[in-house]
Amino acid sequence: QKEVEQDPGPLSVPEGAIVSLNCTYSNSAFQYFMWYRQYSRKGPELLMYTYSSGNKEDGRFTAQVDKSSKYISLFIRDSQPSDSATYLCAMSAGTQGGSEKLVFGKGTKLTVNP
Amino acid sequence: EAEVAQSPRYKITEKSQAVAFWCDPISGHATLYWYRQILGQGPELLVQFQDESVVDDSQLPKDRFSAERLKGVDSTLKIQPAELGDSAMYLCASSFRGYEQFFGPGTRLTVL
Repeated sequence: QKEVEQDPGPLSVPEGAIVSLNCTYSNSAFQYFMWYRQYSRKGPELLMYTYSSGNKEDGRFTAQVDKSSKYISLFIRDSQPSDSATYLCAMSAGTQGGSEKLVFGKGTKLTVNP
Repeated sequence: EAEVAQSPRYKITEKSQAVAFWCDPISGHATLYWYRQILGQGPELLVQFQDESVVDDSQLPKDRFSAERLKGVDSTLKIQPAELGDSAMYLCASSFRGYEQFFGPGTRLTVL
């Protein structure tokens, strides 16, 4: 079992839809949870990060973390064609012996159709 | 807006040749990371530097890969000799706080 599982999709929605993206994980040491957006042939762009459990909202984006279920979500409201990209979840246990590596999911490819 | 710079953006090489990638992190970021991303997968850490010191290189194939950050600023990742399976995107990231890592545009390597 991989440490982080993410459905690769693809996911196709109409413009204006609410999008829900999810990841599950197995390592209970993870404390920091990130969502990155990656356009084709570009580097990942940090969208949001959350520490421990709870919700965080930034504009049309809401990140949720449920540590008891080892489950994280990203919601996109009023989705736009410009949101079409691959969304990667990433997690970190913080500094463990100095390493702060992020463990990524495979990414979910999202297409928002006009 | 400060960004992580990488060069080259694209590299095509033949197997058994040597290749090198360069990264310049965001100014003031002491931590620098090299990740490899195979098509359809998430990035995987190859090496992490804190200033000029290696913190984590447990996933770096040391028989052919090397990385350095001599003055604690920019960094070079080298592969010698390149193999077909090394074809991937090589991403550099930097951070001030470890959980907020900012990525560069990547170098797409194709090994023929």
